[in-house]
Amino acid sequence: DTGVSQDPRHKITKRGQNVTFRCDPISEHNRLYWYRQTLGQGPEFLTYFQNEAQLEKSRLLSDRFSAERPKGSFSTLEIQRTEQGDSAMYLCASSPRLVRAGETQYFGPGTRLLVL
Amino acid sequence: GNSVTQMEGPVTLSEEAFLTINCTYTATGYPSLFWYVQYPGEGLQLLLKATKADDKGSNKGFEATYRKETTSFHLEKGSVQVSDSAVYFCALSGTSYDKVIFGPGTSLSVIP
Repeated sequence: DTGVSQDPRHKITKRGQNVTFRCDPISEHNRLYWYRQTLGQGPEFLTYFQNEAQLEKSRLLSDRFSAERPKGSFSTLEIQRTEQGDSAMYLCASSPRLVRAGETQYFGPGTRLLVL
Repeated sequence: GNSVTQMEGPVTLSEEAFLTINCTYTATGYPSLFWYVQYPGEGLQLLLKATKADDKGSNKGFEATYRKETTSFHLEKGSVQVSDSAVYFCALSGTSYDKVIFGPGTSLSVIP
C-alpha cells in the first residue's frame, strides 16, 4: 500500500534561497492539495489541482510561491527568496473524488522547512 | 467566511475516562464535517466524517454527530486509552470549493 510521499522530509535553508518540494500522490488519485501548518495550528490550504489543472490558490500563496503538476501525477511546490516566516510544515494530500462531497483526503508525512 | 472553532487544549485525561472535544463551525450551505488525528511522529489521517445533518460518524470507539441546529460536531469516546494520545483536528469542506478548512487542533494526553 503506497501512500502519499513527500521529499525531502526536512529542509534547512538560508533566507533568500529558493527551495522546491515534491509530492507523489496515491497513483489513482486525480486531486492533489498543498497545505501549510505552523506550530500549534491546523493546516491552512494553499492550492489544489485536478489532474494537471491548478483550480484554486489561496491568498496565502504569494507571488514567491508556485506549484505545478505537469503530467497530473507528482507535484512540486517552489518557494523563491525564502523568508523566515516561511518556516513551517508543508503538507501534501490527495483524494480520488471531491472532498466537498465528503471524500477523504490522504496526507503525506510533510516537509518541514526551516529558514535561517 | 467558513471557519472551525474547537476547544483549546491541551487536554489531559486518565485512562478509561470519558472524552469530549467540542467543535463548532460557521459555513454556508451544508458542508461535510471531519475529524482528523495526528499521532506523534505520524501524518494526518482521517478519524471519522459525516456528510449530512444528523449523520453520526464513528471509528475506533470515537463518535461525532453532525448537528445542523447547533452547528456542532463534537468528538466523544467513552473510555480513552494511552494510545489515543494525539492532536485532534475538526474540519469542514465547503459546498462551493474543493478544499478542507481545519480548526487549530486539540492536543490530548492520556495517562495510565
